[in-house]
Amino acid sequence: EVQLVESGGGLVRPGGSLRLSCATSGFTFTWFWMTWVRQAPGQGLEWVANIKQDGSEKYYVDSVKGRFTITRDNAKDSLHLQMNSLRVEDTAVYYCARVVRSGVLDYWGQGTLVAVSS
Amino acid sequence: DIQMTQSPSSLSASAGDRVTITCQASQDITDYLNWYQQKPGKVPKLLIYDASNVEIGVPSRFSGSGSGTDFTLTISSLQPEDIATYYCQQYENPSFTFGPGTKVDIK
Repeated sequence: EVQLVESGGGLVRPGGSLRLSCATSGFTFTWFWMTWVRQAPGQGLEWVANIKQDGSEKYYVDSVKGRFTITRDNAKDSLHLQMNSLRVEDTAVYYCARVVRSGVLDYWGQGTLVAVSS
Repeated sequence: DIQMTQSPSSLSASAGDRVTITCQASQDITDYLNWYQQKPGKVPKLLIYDASNVEIGVPSRFSGSGSGTDFTLTISSLQPEDIATYYCQQYENPSFTFGPGTKVDIK
């Protein structure tokens, strides 16, 4: 059974940092691109970042470029999102998801809440 | 960047009604278009991929069509369990974009 479990969310002050993790199981992690998607309270879905199977390609939404870094640990089947210089507008539930067929998000984690507030 | 729009932003229909949601891309994305369903308080779920392919396990009342810039999600006979917000998503390039969502309610 494919499983994705996010962790690392919490309350942080503006300008602070958090590192999200996504532990995966039930599939061969190294075969797949992975992605982070977020959802602000009461709002729609927003794609955040993608990473290729070997980590050699990474893509970000403009609003997080230079502040967020997506990485993966293929030895531990885990995905990460390092978030620096956090802003109030980064408050959201962050989901990790598996990517198939170049852009289809077929499995999603349950999400982890990041709240940025003073 | 590719922008996605959806219409309507919300709708209310009776059980058994045919419901149609449209999604438009700001440029040609061929058929690199997916649809997701998100029920209240739940994780998004893949319904349709590559514009018209129904994901395994999704009821046959859901269908998708379109190519280029204009796409449609159709629910042939709305059921109470279809109450949700529906999102389209493009993946024509390595970055993705979601539409703003369409909230579907039952009258």
